[in-house]
Amino acid sequence: QKEVEQDPGPLSVPEGAIVSLNCTYSNSAFQYFMWYRQYSRKGPELLMYTYSSGNKEDGRFTAQVDKSSKYISLFIRDSQPSDSATYLCAMSHSGNTPLVFGKGTRLSVIA
Amino acid sequence: ETGVTQTPRHLVMGMTNKKSLKCEQHLGHNAMYWYKQSAKKPLELMFVYNFKEQTENNSVPSRFSPECPNSSHLFLHLHTLQPEDSALYLCASSQGGSTYNEQFFGPGTRLTVL
Repeated sequence: QKEVEQDPGPLSVPEGAIVSLNCTYSNSAFQYFMWYRQYSRKGPELLMYTYSSGNKEDGRFTAQVDKSSKYISLFIRDSQPSDSATYLCAMSHSGNTPLVFGKGTRLSVIA
Repeated sequence: ETGVTQTPRHLVMGMTNKKSLKCEQHLGHNAMYWYKQSAKKPLELMFVYNFKEQTENNSVPSRFSPECPNSSHLFLHLHTLQPEDSALYLCASSQGGSTYNEQFFGPGTRLTVL
């Protein structure tokens, strides 16, 4: 079983839809969880960063961590065509251990 | 310049060539990273430098040779590469010390090995 599983998509939604992106993981030692957004021909940019379980909201984005299920989610409300990108989840045990990334989910928001 | 910059953005090389990738960060960070991104695969960590000292070498073949002359600059020297080394090579930086989590990435160098 891979450490981090992420459905690569592609996922295509109409503008204004609520998008749910997910990752599952196998290592219960992970405590730090991140979502990166990567536009075509660009490097990933950090979108959300959470520690342990719970929710974190930033504008239209909500990150959710369920450590008991080893499951993390990123919700995008009122999705826009500018949200079209690949979304990568990443996680680590602690601040001084390497990040483990998912493969990324490619999202297209259609106007 | 702001953030993390990488040059060149695109590189085509033959298997016998020697080339170098350059990364520069303008964020005052102390840790720098090289990653390989291939289609349909997760980001693969290659090397980590923390305060100019190499702290991770993720079983990378010796045809890839990193160099970190100072906390702002990172190089990846390439020689006798294979076609399967074609990928996007990403540089990242973070605060360093015990803070590896909030990494900031450059735009990458798209490498094609013929």
